[in-house]
Amino acid sequence: SAVISQKPSRDICQRGTSLTIQCQVDSQVTMMFWYRQQPGQSLTLIATANQGSEATYESGFVIDKFPISRPNLTFSTLTVSNLSPEDSSIYLCSVEGQGPSGQYFGPGTRLTVT
Amino acid sequence: QQPVQSPQAVILREGEDAVINCSSSKALYSVHWYRQKHGEAPVFLMILLKGGEQKGHDKISASFNEKKQQSSLYLTASQLSYSGTYFCGTAGIQGAQKLVFGQGTRLTINP
Repeated sequence: SAVISQKPSRDICQRGTSLTIQCQVDSQVTMMFWYRQQPGQSLTLIATANQGSEATYESGFVIDKFPISRPNLTFSTLTVSNLSPEDSSIYLCSVEGQGPSGQYFGPGTRLTVT
Repeated sequence: QQPVQSPQAVILREGEDAVINCSSSKALYSVHWYRQKHGEAPVFLMILLKGGEQKGHDKISASFNEKKQQSSLYLTASQLSYSGTYFCGTAGIQGAQKLVFGQGTRLTINP
């Protein structure tokens, strides 16, 4: 399984600002996934990030609000732009294991918007 | 579409058994099971691919009935460490890597 780290682990931001979340993996992976998990809720996929191509966004999520970078096979960033209190959530990145395998999640970033 | 999990919550005493179900309205390529403890990231438990196989390790096993588009997670002789929220994640034929998660089943194990 991959070891995944995220920065920051938590942050409190003011409405209208942006937060960039970093995700670092200890091995090269093709696909990285970004999820949002609102308090007490399930995980919702925001987008899939492949190295060298544009991220693929799920319905309800747009690039202007959630720009993603994937500069290499071990790193990705998710920016949450123009923050509002509704963006308060936990944001997680994940990667797939080798072969037919599950996904391995980073520890998450807890964002609070005031 | 989000798969439906049942029950939403269950409370057991240590040593009892539990079954958590996951049902989808769409054809499935795979079903994943995860456990998430409070304040932690989800942890992968197992993956089941289409073919109706059953998998397991230790006292946790799962089955996948692709015709019914259903999967069940079985926890036998539950331990205190099994407490947490269990999520199934499903992948359809077209997007095998993209998961849609159920709403979760909160499992509480009491001594």
